Amino acid sequence: DQQVKQNSPSLSVQEGRISILNCDYTNSMFDYFLWYKKYPAEGPTFLISISSIKDKNEDGRFTVFLNKSAKHLSLHIVPSQPGDSAVYFCAASANRGSTLGRLYFGRGTQLTVWP
Amino acid sequence: SAVISQKPSRDICQRGTSLTIQCQVDSQVTMMFWYRQQPGQSLTLIATANQGSEATYESGFVIDKFPISRPNLTFSTLTVSNMSPEDSSIYLCSVGRGSLNEKLFFGSGTQLSVL
Repeated sequence: DQQVKQNSPSLSVQEGRISILNCDYTNSMFDYFLWYKKYPAEGPTFLISISSIKDKNEDGRFTVFLNKSAKHLSLHIVPSQPGDSAVYFCAASANRGSTLGRLYFGRGTQLTVWP
Repeated sequence: SAVISQKPSRDICQRGTSLTIQCQVDSQVTMMFWYRQQPGQSLTLIATANQGSEATYESGFVIDKFPISRPNLTFSTLTVSNMSPEDSSIYLCSVGRGSLNEKLFFGSGTQLSVL
């Protein structure tokens, strides 16, 4: 059963505009959330994370928003750049009483930023 | 972060054979994690490799099929044994950062195709 869901397999955005990638989860025990970016033939690269005690975390052009009541998080990229074109994975963990290092991943969203 | 070297980067293997994937980290870590990404699927934890003890396997993964070695604090291997086409996946080594290993960093992965 998929506990982390990324319902949009792809997203296409013009350069300079905002990219919004969405993620939903079902497990209320999740308390830490991460976004990874993956280029072809490379491993996933950590991008940004957020603890469940926060509702927003910002790092440069990247902002993650967490809505615990809706079990929903989103990644905003502003402004989008062609180099942002990659597959983005949402991941979650339940660090209290769970296997350390076990992240639950979504299936990814392919972001394409066109000039 | 961490520098994680993984090899081979890709391989094509015959059914019934075995492949050993190596993972080298640039710093000493207590725990190393092996993940798998089947085509079109999310990343799934196979097992956790601790130095000096047996690896801990997730549900659905067994030691006979995926034996793991962890001879020291910077190195681990994962063997995919008696391969079948269903084993065709990307295999990823990762290490954690943070007090609970809540943030994972990944190697570049091994793209395995089984004919």
